[in-house]
Amino acid sequence: EPEVTQTPSHQVTQMGQEVILRCVPISNHLYFYWYRQILGQKVEFLVSFYNNEISEKSEIFDDQFSVERPDGSNFTLKIRSTKLEDSAMYFCASSAGFGANVLTFGAGSRLTVL
Amino acid sequence: ILNVEQSPQSLHVQEGDSTNFTCSFPSSNFYALHWYRWETAKSPEALFVMTLNGDEKKKGRISATLNTKEGYSYLYIKGSQPEDSATYLCAFKKSGGGADGLTFGKGTHLIIQP
Repeated sequence: EPEVTQTPSHQVTQMGQEVILRCVPISNHLYFYWYRQILGQKVEFLVSFYNNEISEKSEIFDDQFSVERPDGSNFTLKIRSTKLEDSAMYFCASSAGFGANVLTFGAGSRLTVL
Repeated sequence: ILNVEQSPQSLHVQEGDSTNFTCSFPSSNFYALHWYRWETAKSPEALFVMTLNGDEKKKGRISATLNTKEGYSYLYIKGSQPEDSATYLCAFKKSGGGADGLTFGKGTHLIIQP
């Protein structure tokens, strides 16, 4: 069964460093997302991406965050200058359509900022 | 701020027993309600997406109902098995078009005791 793959599974970084989290969505999906879950809290929406541009972003997704689809397969989340509060599990997801289409999630990338 | 609440937060059920838990969400601007099953160290896996008031969906021993007028959904598991142990997440999608993000509840952590 097709799956969404994420790398790395765990990254430890120093505050102020740049981090890039990578995702390979399902090949025939058109919509891509990043969500995150801070330990003990709800899963939160960060950004959605369609047709090579951001479709919607949440208040969390400030200027420190960016997304890119550099080639036909990868979808990346960059955090320019990490803060302690960026420590979380980051989930990539993709869907064939929007609205009532299910999301297929990756297993997550755990980011620890020291 | 959209409020999606799930109860109970955790639940211990004896193998073979049936169980259910609740997701409550805003009754206005409703578009869809998603249910996901999330096992530790794995990806959240889609169970159902429901869009119409009165919808009932079933997948094996798991079923869900939807009441959009009062803003709640129930997830039922019949004859619980140890492999049902997981966190069950519901997520609300508001109307408004576009690839909008989902608003998640905190989840119900289900433990099936053999």
